[in-house]
Amino acid sequence: EVQLVESGGALAQPGGSLRLSCAASGFSIDDYAMHWVRQAPGKGLEWVSGISWDSPFIDYADSVKGRFTISRDSAKNALYLQMDSLRTEDTAVYYCAKDKGRFGELMLDWGQGTLVTVSS
Amino acid sequence: DIQMTQSPSSVSASVGDRVTITCRASHGISTWLTWYQQKPGKTPKVLIYAAAGLQGGVSSRFSGSGSGTDFTLTITNLQPDDFATYYCQQSNRFPFTFGPGTKVEIK
Repeated sequence: EVQLVESGGALAQPGGSLRLSCAASGFSIDDYAMHWVRQAPGKGLEWVSGISWDSPFIDYADSVKGRFTISRDSAKNALYLQMDSLRTEDTAVYYCAKDKGRFGELMLDWGQGTLVTVSS
Repeated sequence: DIQMTQSPSSVSASVGDRVTITCRASHGISTWLTWYQQKPGKTPKVLIYAAAGLQGGVSSRFSGSGSGTDFTLTITNLQPDDFATYYCQQSNRFPFTFGPGTKVEIK
């Protein structure tokens, strides 16, 4: 059974940093593209970042480009999102999601999310 | 970046109704389109992939169509469990983008 468990969400100050983790089980993250998607309170879904199965392809939403970094650790079967220069508009629940395939198509399996609040 | 729009933003419907939601892409995306359903407090669930493919385990009351820039999600014989928010998402090119969502409410 596929399981994705996010952690690392917290209250952070504007300009601060956080690192989100996503522990995967039931599959190898090396075999699939992986994504981070966020949802601000009461708002819609926003794709944040994605990484292909063999990691050569990585991209970010314009809203986070240059501030966030996605990475994976094959040994730990985990996905990460390093979030720097945080802004109040980054406040959201952040979901880790497993793709259907290797190169990026759709978010098939989702974690339960971790809440990031950016406020002074 | 490819922008996705949806209409309507919300719709009130009754059990047994047919509901159609439209999604439009700012550039052609072939059939690289997915439809999700999200209920309050829950994570999104894939309904339709590749514009018209029914995801395993999803009711055949859901159907998708379209290609290029214009897509539709149709729900026939609306059931109480279908009241939710529906999102389209393009995967033709990075960065992936979602539509703003359509909330299907009980009339």
